[in-house]
Amino acid sequence: GAVVSQHPSWVICKSGTSVKIECRSLDFQATTMFWYRQFPKQSLMLMATSNEGSKATYEQGVEKDKFLINHASLTLSTLTVTSAHPEDSSFYICSAGGRASGRGNEQFFGPGTRLTVL
Amino acid sequence: QQQVKQSPQSLIVQKGGISIINCAYENTAFDYFPWYQQFPGKGPALLIAIRPDVSEKKEGRFTISFNKSAKQFSLHIMDSQPGDSATYFCAADRVAGGGNKLTFGTGTQLKVEL
Repeated sequence: GAVVSQHPSWVICKSGTSVKIECRSLDFQATTMFWYRQFPKQSLMLMATSNEGSKATYEQGVEKDKFLINHASLTLSTLTVTSAHPEDSSFYICSAGGRASGRGNEQFFGPGTRLTVL
Repeated sequence: QQQVKQSPQSLIVQKGGISIINCAYENTAFDYFPWYQQFPGKGPALLIAIRPDVSEKKEGRFTISFNKSAKQFSLHIMDSQPGDSATYFCAADRVAGGGNKLTFGTGTQLKVEL
């Protein structure tokens, strides 16, 4: 159990376009979802924390107008990269957790989405 | 952001050997210490986790050793196998404060050679 999916697994887009990434918890309800960004051979950097039905909390230095997060239900969160530029190319990973998962503070990670902006 | 320092950055171990990865933290409020394994192009997967009320936890070939006074914890992989070759991340969280916000170490790239 505790499976998290992401869609798409990879995406290539032109500079200036917007890209939406979906994160779904398949077999449990997640009160909290997290979005991370990972550059090659680096650690995961938390971008934002989203709680179902409320606004996301962004980490320092992350532009909330550029990275739009929506957590409309207990099983779905979306990250939209608006007006993407080549420097936004990265591996984006979501995780799901929270008390509703029944697993305490354990986070379950999705498989990641590789974004390449040309 | 509170730091979690991880070493070594990379590690090469012979098949059957013991892989040891170390982490140190600063914030004494941290009370949950998980280890994640990540293969290239995949998301991290939880390996094993420990709370500060115990000094050691073992699950199969994986053992966490925890030293609360030194604010250090380590991952030991016994009988390392080529399939263990991956990047390993330690992390820390503060549950008591309603946390659920992981702080990751910098990662260790493990290669197990035949």
